Amino acid sequence: AQKITQTQPGMFVQEKEAVTLDCTYDTSDPSYGLFWYKQPSSGEMIFLIYQGSYDQQNATEGRYSLNFQKARKSANLVISASQLGDSAMYFCAMREGRGGGSQGNLIFGKGTKLSVKP
Amino acid sequence: DTEVTQTPKHLVMGMTNKKSLKCEQHMGHRAMYWYKQKAKKPPELMFVYSYEKLSINESVPSRFSPECPNSSLLNLHLHALQPEDSALYLCASSRNSGGALTGELFFGEGSRLTVL
Repeated sequence: AQKITQTQPGMFVQEKEAVTLDCTYDTSDPSYGLFWYKQPSSGEMIFLIYQGSYDQQNATEGRYSLNFQKARKSANLVISASQLGDSAMYFCAMREGRGGGSQGNLIFGKGTKLSVKP
Repeated sequence: DTEVTQTPKHLVMGMTNKKSLKCEQHMGHRAMYWYKQKAKKPPELMFVYSYEKLSINESVPSRFSPECPNSSLLNLHLHALQPEDSALYLCASSRNSGGALTGELFFGEGSRLTVL
């Protein structure tokens, strides 16, 4: 079974508008971390935002916020005021605690390709 | 600018060649990783080094040989590769390995490998 599911292979958004990228996860470990990475065509994986399973508040980093709904096992990324430079592949990833089956390694979803239109 | 540096950025090699990919970080991180990424796919973990010791090998063929000479350097030695090994090879580092609270991975820009 997939541990990280990103159901949107591609998304379009108009410049200056907000966009939500979906991510659901599956784990039985109470201790885990959720990450979002951006990968432009150049190849580098750029860390955007992190949410810990015990964090009470949703994480925010500038224009990025993470809509964390623990009961639904959902960790959607919200990008506000989209810019042309936001066009890239976006990966949701999870790291389980030592009790999880993944040995604490980062597990990636299949990604969502975001295209920002001028 | 990324704090994880990978060289070379592009590499073309024949199936009989021997080459190496190099990765360097100076953030004091004690865990380093090699990932392989095929086009339009997520990165796949290959190896994890923790405190300069190989802790995870995800059943990678022996034609890929990792080496961690010190806590700042990570190499991937390549020998007798196949065309299907052509991919983007990403190096990453983190404060330490294992567990949910070990922080994010910092990635390099990758080495794009083509095997002819």
